[in-house]
Amino acid sequence: DVKVTQSSRYLVKRTGEKVFLECVQDMDHENMFWYRQDPGLGLRLIYFSYDVKMKEKGDIPEGYSVSREKKERFSLILESASTNQTSMYLCASTTLTGGASEEQYFGPGTRLTVT
Amino acid sequence: LAKTTQPISMDSYEGQEVNITCSHNNIATNDYITWYQQFPSQGPRFIIQGYKTKVTNEVASLFIPADRKSSTLSLPRVSLSDTAVYYCLVVIYNQGGKLIFGQGTELSVKP
Repeated sequence: DVKVTQSSRYLVKRTGEKVFLECVQDMDHENMFWYRQDPGLGLRLIYFSYDVKMKEKGDIPEGYSVSREKKERFSLILESASTNQTSMYLCASTTLTGGASEEQYFGPGTRLTVT
Repeated sequence: LAKTTQPISMDSYEGQEVNITCSHNNIATNDYITWYQQFPSQGPRFIIQGYKTKVTNEVASLFIPADRKSSTLSLPRVSLSDTAVYYCLVVIYNQGGKLIFGQGTELSVKP
């Protein structure tokens, strides 16, 4: 079974802190994604990566950065956390097969609260 | 990317068949229709994907008419454990898996 794990299920940080959210997948997937999910807004794509050291902005990249130094690991960084970044953060991965199905496998999510 | 529209919520009873319809009027030739399911406090999970006509797997069926401007997810004989949010997405074929999630349909199954 594909496994996508996230470093924490729950996290509480203070305004202005630097926050690291880690995601690891064990299926040698090329593509990895970070989303945030908020009530009434659904899931929104923050950043994604097609390969090691490559990254592309999603729909809401402001206030975030990412790092992909190894294929299996994709980190989301909040340089200076703010209260409006309180949210559920979901990591996902998929393989670049070129086939019809590019199913994304999601991690369990990290619920981040910034106070 | 094609926008999708689906009902915000639906209610059903155990043992019934549930059909959730999604409209995607500006779907492009190379786009696929994909459905995900999300339980509370979990990440979304892939259910089914199709391009045209009908696709069936062990969980659901997906019906896509010839014009592909809409699709229907069919869940046979739902149980309480099918209570979840169901997302309809249009996915560009072979484009690295970038997904745009809409609001989803919150399905509530009652005993």
